[in-house]
Amino acid sequence: EDKVVQSPLSLVVHEGDTVTLNCSYEVTNFRSLLWYKQEKKAPTFLFMLTSSGIEKKSGRLSSILDKKELFSILNITATQTGDSAIYLCAGGFNKFYFGSGTKLNVKP
Amino acid sequence: DVKVTQSSRYLVKRTGEKVFLECVQDMDHENMFWYRQDPGLGLRLIYFSYDVKMKEKGDIPEGYSVSREKKERFSLILESASTNQTSMYLCASSGLDQPQHFGDGTRLSIL
Repeated sequence: EDKVVQSPLSLVVHEGDTVTLNCSYEVTNFRSLLWYKQEKKAPTFLFMLTSSGIEKKSGRLSSILDKKELFSILNITATQTGDSAIYLCAGGFNKFYFGSGTKLNVKP
Repeated sequence: DVKVTQSSRYLVKRTGEKVFLECVQDMDHENMFWYRQDPGLGLRLIYFSYDVKMKEKGDIPEGYSVSREKKERFSLILESASTNQTSMYLCASSGLDQPQHFGDGTRLSIL
């Protein structure tokens, strides 16, 4: 059975902290790992990772994929209250399997 | 920017009604998807489509059907709505081997 598992389920930090969100996957037809941020409405796309060991960065966010160990991490440095959201990861190829998300709460 | 538009943000229907949720994308994407999102369960795939008039079942297709008569439009149909179909419904589209882009979602309540 294909599945994606995220940890932790929820996380509370203070502004300025660095957080690491985890995503492990067991997906038969796998090509890419996706990360999304979801606030009140639609998930918004953050990263698409296809190659193992190559870090992708966007401002304070970065992510890396390990295709040997079947996991990915999303790092957020110098967190801000605007980072509070649910972070979703998904693995697959055209059809993606989603994890249940990590709910991040950044306190002032 | 990719635009995925869902016809309603909030919808309230009664048990037994036939319910239509509409989704339109403006990027000529081949792939379109319908998910439902429930607390603690994440996004679960209901149906997806790789091309016009083509559909495949996802993980939880029971009680639902879909229609894709035009490339830009993907409709989700609840044949006879039940209370356990109360949920947030998200539509997404993508190009081949590309990330999915989501609509704003329809929060559906079945009374």
